Amino acid sequence: DAKTTQPTSMDCAEGRAANLPCNHSTISGNEYVYWYRQIHSQGPQYIIHGLKNNETNEMASLIITEDRKSSTLILPHATLRDTAVYYCIVRGLNFGNEKLTFGTGTRLTIIP
Amino acid sequence: ETGVTQTPRHLVMGMTNKKSLKCEQHLGHNAMYWYKQSAKKPLELMFVYSLEERVENNSVPSRFSPECPNSSHLFLHLHTLQPEDSALYLCASSQEPKDTQYFGPGTRLTVL
Repeated sequence: DAKTTQPTSMDCAEGRAANLPCNHSTISGNEYVYWYRQIHSQGPQYIIHGLKNNETNEMASLIITEDRKSSTLILPHATLRDTAVYYCIVRGLNFGNEKLTFGTGTRLTIIP
Repeated sequence: ETGVTQTPRHLVMGMTNKKSLKCEQHLGHNAMYWYKQSAKKPLELMFVYSLEERVENNSVPSRFSPECPNSSHLFLHLHTLQPEDSALYLCASSQEPKDTQYFGPGTRLTVL
């Protein structure tokens, strides 16, 4: 699996958009970008995933650069409940490379 | 609520005890997973079951014994654990190994 690089921590003011970057420069053509988050001592929560087109759901938007070497998760109006560790994961969908490999993620703190 | 439940949520056991962790998914999925999350370490995949057959065992010590009696239930039987086995144990499920995984809330295990 391609590796990802994320900032260790970020702060964002409540009500503002939180933009979380992720670099995945060695991603291959059949690998997806997944985002999960983990609120303290709870199970990871699936947020969104994409291949090459931008994606949006009720939780967030995912912007993937044209060369697919980086992406940004956007939480449009951050609330205090969005404080969590956010994981960017690259995974393939073929047998043998479909593992979810969690790194250390970005600790996002929403400031009141 | 993700549709994946785990019991108990907290467990304290001695090194000579035998206990079991239970996971149940209500999503109609065919694949289930056990992960371990130790303090300040990334999630580690322990076991993968697909259609009730174990398809992956990531060099986990034999004191951890998984059981998947049907596609909705997954157990992790514990015996003669060590204090370093104290961790958050997470269960996840997906439609197939290549699909999005949804996690349960975890069992916080403390081995004395």
